[in-house]
Amino acid sequence: AQKITQTQPGMFVQEKEAVTLDCTYDTSDQSYGLFWYKQPSSGEMIFLIYQGSYDEQNATEGRYSLNFQKARKSANLVISASQLGDSAMYFCAMRAYNNNDMRFGAGTRLTVKP
Amino acid sequence: EAGVAQSPRYKIIEKRQSVAFWCNPISGHATLYWYQQILGQGPKLLIQFQNNGVVDDSQLPKDRFSAERLKGVDSTLKIQPAKLEDSAVYLCASRLGPGQIMNTEAFFGQGTRLTVV
Repeated sequence: AQKITQTQPGMFVQEKEAVTLDCTYDTSDQSYGLFWYKQPSSGEMIFLIYQGSYDEQNATEGRYSLNFQKARKSANLVISASQLGDSAMYFCAMRAYNNNDMRFGAGTRLTVKP
Repeated sequence: EAGVAQSPRYKIIEKRQSVAFWCNPISGHATLYWYQQILGQGPKLLIQFQNNGVVDDSQLPKDRFSAERLKGVDSTLKIQPAKLEDSAVYLCASRLGPGQIMNTEAFFGQGTRLTVV
């Protein structure tokens, strides 16, 4: 079974600066997808960005980009120009295509300081 | 497009009572997941359905938890009897299944917050 590790329980960043949230994963599957979700205090899970294991380019979605290093099995989320509304829990998740399971890491709480 | 619907939003029960949660996924989504999210932790996958069949229930405590997805649409998750440690948010998510678009994300409902006292 796949395992997702997020080693940063909490992170602080100054408004307008960039921040990197770490995610490493462990899987024996060759085909998989990596996802990042944001969970504000209201509780909903908001999809941010996706990276496929065979994608050669790092994924980008607006202010979000994914630093994908396949050999190191890491998929770090980079948020540029942080905003106060970015304060939330951030979860890294992985789905193996052979069984369609989707598993999450423990999350990182990001706090953006004004 | 309507999102994933869950009910109830909140539930308080005493230990040893039973409780059921309902989920209506996005229309056309073959895959449905139930997650348990304990406060301060990441979502833990309990069970995955593909249409009305169970794909993975390896982390479902089957002595007290059960789930079904009749007709491959709505799903219910039941806990009987509940324990204090079952206090958590129960999230339902759905996505297009295998054979459909492979890189689509899962869409989540608002969750049901269960408190066992």
